[in-house]
Amino acid sequence: EAQVTQNPRYLITVTGKKLTVTCSQNMNHEYMSWYRQDPGLGLRQIYYSMNVEVTDKGDVPEGYKVSRKEKRNFPLILESPSPNQTSLYFCASWSSGRTHTDTQYFGPGTRLTVL
Amino acid sequence: DQQVKQNSPSLSVQEGRISILNCDYTNSMFDYFLWYKKYPAEGPTFLISISSIKDKNEDGRFTVFLNKSAKHLSLHIVPSQPGDSAVYFCAASGNTGNQFYFGTGTSLTVIP
Repeated sequence: EAQVTQNPRYLITVTGKKLTVTCSQNMNHEYMSWYRQDPGLGLRQIYYSMNVEVTDKGDVPEGYKVSRKEKRNFPLILESPSPNQTSLYFCASWSSGRTHTDTQYFGPGTRLTVL
Repeated sequence: DQQVKQNSPSLSVQEGRISILNCDYTNSMFDYFLWYKKYPAEGPTFLISISSIKDKNEDGRFTVFLNKSAKHLSLHIVPSQPGDSAVYFCAASGNTGNQFYFGTGTSLTVIP
């Protein structure tokens, strides 16, 4: 079954404690991205990756890091989480950035609370 | 600054009637537009899309209309069904297809 998986689904942590949210896709997609969803703001793109070792900033990259060492995985790293990073996070993948016939597949979401 | 806007946070429609969800954008460089549907505790799922070279795209009960001069698109659902109750997001991207800009979502409730 084609899918994007995220772990953990729920996470409560404290300010400053480094954490990683994992994302994996089994569709051999070149592109992957992280979004955060906040009330009244919709989904905002944090980082995206066009292929292994190629990443770029989205709209709201501050406070986040990503890496793409393997095609299937795209972890989101918060080196020093702060309460304003409390949000619902989604990972997505898609197969092409040019044809526009490819759509994004989203993971189920990770709800993060930073105390 | 929100480049894609959905000004109606919520919409209620009777089963069998038409649902019309609206979306406005500000960036004239956007050339591809998508609608996603989201149920609680799940990720968004793709519903329908339209390229800027078209003004209408239809897929079963779902039709998207694009008015480039007004920078406006709309999603029509006919007939509406209770299973359509969800949050609908519109999104837009430019010609690189790398970056996507989402609206704030409209919560649709279809009343049986």
